Amino acid sequence: QQPVQSPQAVILREGEDAVINCSSSKALYSVHWYRQKHGEAPVFLMILLKGGEQKGHDKISASFNEKKQQSSLYLTASQLSYSGTYFCGTENSGNTPLVFGKGTRLSVIA
Amino acid sequence: GAVVSQHPSWVICKSGTSVKIECRSLDFQATTMFWYRQFPKQSLMLMATSNEGSKATYEQGVEKDKFLINHASLTLSTLTVTSAHPEDSSFYICSASPKYEQYFGPGTRLTVT
Repeated sequence: QQPVQSPQAVILREGEDAVINCSSSKALYSVHWYRQKHGEAPVFLMILLKGGEQKGHDKISASFNEKKQQSSLYLTASQLSYSGTYFCGTENSGNTPLVFGKGTRLSVIA
Repeated sequence: GAVVSQHPSWVICKSGTSVKIECRSLDFQATTMFWYRQFPKQSLMLMATSNEGSKATYEQGVEKDKFLINHASLTLSTLTVTSAHPEDSSFYICSASPKYEQYFGPGTRLTVT
């Protein structure tokens, strides 16, 4: 079952913050976040496995709610390099193929 | 970090010919690799799960006789698009997992003329 991502697209000025959401109607085993730039393969950002988990590096962080049905990706003080399409990929059980959301197109402008 | 390579990066072929795409995990072993296809401005769609030493598991709607997958070793999986047609033109991406996270290859852009 494909997760639902929101928003579909967002435009930010450098330094602004953004939140991208990924939700499922059923509890998930894990949520994976990726960023893809035009013409390139997706790049792994982080994985969340535990309900209530939060993690991040640099100015990108993510959370996984207690029910493990919703995850959010937080981008703070955005940089031009953050531009791209962000996908969440979800697993219903371990070591199974990821099902990707439709993506959120993020554009950061100067 | 884990590195996955794909070869070739891009290929242009004539309709009716076959094309082989290789996916290698360079610094880890992967019992399972995944093949995805992505059309412009769309999400990644899983085509098949490639299992080392056994037959691949195909997603509904993906023709197994057209998209041949071979997982010859723990570091190599190949996807062969047989009798390619223009509608097969797409970005083909493989991924492999050392443990939990999946790492993607750089992708292969196939154009069938």
